Amino acid sequence: DVKVTQSSRYLVKRTGEKVFLECVQDMDHENMFWYRQDPGLGLRLIYFSYDVKMKEKGDIPEGYSVSREKKERFSLILESASTNQTSMYLCASRTTRLGSYSYEQYFGPGTRLTVT
Amino acid sequence: GQNIDQPTEMTATEGAIVQINCTYQTSGFNGLFWYQQHAGEAPTFLSYNVLDGLEEKGRFSSFLSRSKGYSYLLLKELQMKDSASYLCVIPAGTALIFGKGTTLSVSS
Repeated sequence: DVKVTQSSRYLVKRTGEKVFLECVQDMDHENMFWYRQDPGLGLRLIYFSYDVKMKEKGDIPEGYSVSREKKERFSLILESASTNQTSMYLCASRTTRLGSYSYEQYFGPGTRLTVT
Repeated sequence: GQNIDQPTEMTATEGAIVQINCTYQTSGFNGLFWYQQHAGEAPTFLSYNVLDGLEEKGRFSSFLSRSKGYSYLLLKELQMKDSASYLCVIPAGTALIFGKGTTLSVSS
């Protein structure tokens, strides 16, 4: 089974702090993704990575950056946390190897971040 | 561009059948997913349709009509544990575009 893990389930940070959210997958997947999920807005893509050291902006990258130094790990960084970044953050991964469900993404359990 | 519409909320009773509809617009079609998400948990894969017709998997079935830009998820013999949000999702390049989800509440 594919396993995607995230460093914390719950996190509370203060405004202005630098925040690191870590995501690790164990299936040698090439692509990794960071989403945030807010009530009434659904899942929105922040950043994604095609492969190691490669990254692309998603729909809402402002206020975030990412790092992918190793294939299994994709980090989301909030340079200076703000209250409007209080949200559920979901990491996902997928393989680009051909298969019936090659677009399927596997999700981690999520990190609920509260910025006070 | 891409757009997905699905109802916000639905209610049903245990043992019943419910159909969750989804309409979409996309410039290039690469299939359609349904994901299930329980409150506070990550989305999990339910189904993937790329050809027209009905795909059945146990109590859950998913239907696709590419010409109409329409899909539905059919849940039979509803159980309390089916209370969740159901997300209609379409691929867009490398990423996925998620509908806002339909929250299904199953009561006894």
